[in-house]
Amino acid sequence: DTEVTQTPKHLVMGMTNKKSLKCEQHMGHRAMYWYKQKAKKPPELMFVYSYEKLSINESVPSRFSPECPNSSLLNLHLHALQPEDSALYLCASSQDRSVQGRYTEAFFGQGTRLTVV
Amino acid sequence: QQPVQSPQAVILREGEDAVINCSSSKALYSVHWYRQKHGEAPVFLMILLKGGEQKGHEKISASFNEKKQQSSLYLTASQLSYSGTYFCGTEYSGGSNYKLTFGKGTLLTVNP
Repeated sequence: DTEVTQTPKHLVMGMTNKKSLKCEQHMGHRAMYWYKQKAKKPPELMFVYSYEKLSINESVPSRFSPECPNSSLLNLHLHALQPEDSALYLCASSQDRSVQGRYTEAFFGQGTRLTVV
Repeated sequence: QQPVQSPQAVILREGEDAVINCSSSKALYSVHWYRQKHGEAPVFLMILLKGGEQKGHEKISASFNEKKQQSSLYLTASQLSYSGTYFCGTEYSGGSNYKLTFGKGTLLTVNP
């Protein structure tokens, strides 16, 4: 199984709503990532979890709150978002760098297309 | 710091070759290449490491010139399935673990 599964595929939310994005992988990867991608732009790193601990936060606004409940799951909690937060949110996973000694191949999920109205 | 990709876009006829370049002003530890089709997730193609290691994948190969901090992706005898946006992701020497910085992408269109 080399899949990263993201749910939901599409999400429309109001600026006062609270919602969560979910990501799951069963490849035994201990590094998991959230990326944000705007149309015709490259993915931008938001958060990195390593062994269920937050290791990188790319100065993301607090209205985005990540959570890694276990080694297979990654959540992104959303609250009080702005219309400019509308984007494709991609989850990815990879082997831990300490295992391979370098950044390894990342497997991306299909993403959640988020629209904030 | 974002790597610079060139060209921004390229249009090919099936069977033609193409080269996509990725350069950095900072010392690189590795370069990663991904392809993303419209509406789909990025898909890993290959990793190039320090030492000028060259990797190949079917008719797609790449090189990494450590001295020039450049990588090039070579697409030979292009197929319709090669269409998509190609991103290079760079990992910097001395940089944070796990952090890839992607270039702006090169849109490749292969026509029959």
